[in-house]
Amino acid sequence: ETGVTQSPTHLIKTRGQQVTLRCSSQSGHNTVSWYQQALGQGPQFIFQYYREEENGRGNFPPRFSGLQFPNYSSELNVNALELDDSALYLCASSQSGGASYEQYFGPGTRLTVT
Amino acid sequence: GENVEQHPSTLSVQEGDSAVIKCTYSDSASNYFPWYKQELGKGPQLIIDIRSNVGEKKDQRIAVTLNKTAKHFSLHITETQPEDSAVYFCAATRYSSASKIIFGSGTRLSIRP
Repeated sequence: ETGVTQSPTHLIKTRGQQVTLRCSSQSGHNTVSWYQQALGQGPQFIFQYYREEENGRGNFPPRFSGLQFPNYSSELNVNALELDDSALYLCASSQSGGASYEQYFGPGTRLTVT
Repeated sequence: GENVEQHPSTLSVQEGDSAVIKCTYSDSASNYFPWYKQELGKGPQLIIDIRSNVGEKKDQRIAVTLNKTAKHFSLHITETQPEDSAVYFCAATRYSSASKIIFGSGTRLSIRP
């Protein structure tokens, strides 16, 4: 069984730039959720993708957007980066529609905005 | 809005002793409560979970309890070991087609040798 993978591991961007983060879900999972974890805090839900469509969103502005592909992998795009966007970005995969509730997290992408 | 409060924020226990972390949730419709362990530089790892139709669940040295009436749930770790040192997060979610997990603020557990 392949776990959740994310790329890149680390990224440094300048304020105002755009960034794309990638996630491959665990085999057998059809749903990907994205979270932002600021230093010393718990993860905050950004949005979830199921069947290639956004399926729920947290309190994040529209400059946070995403995609899900037919193989269930996903991208998180952030436009017009701000200093406060510096955080660990986590994706979690799960299987919607089944009896299992579990979400499994990847190792994250550490984004630094200068 | 939905909220999960977690206490304490830091906890230091002697190796071999027990550790208890407590959480409360605000959304009475929450029906799934996972606990995650996060080690430095890694993503959160699911260690145990409990559903709202169960009051207690145990897995070796780890146990969780849930009081739906009071909207409280707790993590108990017995016979703590050095490898238990990490940040622990409680969480709550209303399982549906958009299962966003609401996390607590975390507890940094340190095991003293």
